[in-house]
Amino acid sequence: EAQLVQSGAEVKKAGESLRISCKSSAYSFNTDWIAWMRQTPGKGLEWMGIIYPGDSDTRYSPSFKGQVTFSVDKSTKTAYVQWTSLQASDTAIYYCARRIVGSSGWFTSWFDPWGQGTLVTVSP
Amino acid sequence: SFVLTQSPSVSVAPGQTAKITCGGRDIGRQSVHWYQQRPGQAPVVVVFDNTGRASGIPERFSGSSSENTATLTISSVEAGDEADYLCQVWDTNSDHVVFGGGTRLTVL
Repeated sequence: EAQLVQSGAEVKKAGESLRISCKSSAYSFNTDWIAWMRQTPGKGLEWMGIIYPGDSDTRYSPSFKGQVTFSVDKSTKTAYVQWTSLQASDTAIYYCARRIVGSSGWFTSWFDPWGQGTLVTVSP
Repeated sequence: SFVLTQSPSVSVAPGQTAKITCGGRDIGRQSVHWYQQRPGQAPVVVVFDNTGRASGIPERFSGSSSENTATLTISSVEAGDEADYLCQVWDTNSDHVVFGGGTRLTVL
C-alpha cells in the first residue's frame, strides 16, 4: 500500500530557514507527481504546488511562488519543501500527497495517499 | 480564480441522509473529488472523478454533479462519519488545484 511519511513538528523563529520532508514507499516514486498543501484555520486547505520526481519539473501556485522551494531526492524517495526565511504567517500544517491521474487525464487528478502532516509553528 | 463554495456545516441524525454541496461556476464540466478529514488527521479521498468511490469507502458514500453544484451524499449516516468534508477540482482555466472551504458534518 502506497504511503507517505512526513517529518515531525517544527518550532521556528521568524527569519529562520526550514526544510520538511515527505518519504514515500510502496509505489513508483519517480513517475507520480507529489503535491504540497497548506492548512490553516483561517484560509483552509490551500494547494501550494506540485513536483514530478522523475525530472523535478515543478509548478507553483501563484500564492506560493517565490516563497517556497520544492525538491526531491530520488535515491531516498523523499520530497522536500523548504523556506529560506520563515514568517509568522507560515504557521500551518503542511501536507504532501501523491497525485493520481483520472481517466480523462491531467485535469481529472486527485490526491491519494496523503502524508500525516507536519505542523510548523513560527514565532514572531 | 475559480472558487468552490461549501456550506460551513451540516447536521443530521443517525440513519438519515446527509447531502453536502460544493458550488462553482460550471462545476458540472469539471472533475470533482471529495475528501473526508477527521479531527487531527490528514484528508482521505472518499469520492473521485465526480462519482467514483475510493477503495475501502462504504457504498453509503456517493457523488454526483450538475451544472453549478457537485454533491456528496452519505446515506444511513453513522457517528463515525462525523468529520470535515472538502471538495477539490483541478481548474482547467488556471491549471491550479482548488479546494472548497469544507463542510463540517455533525451527527446529532
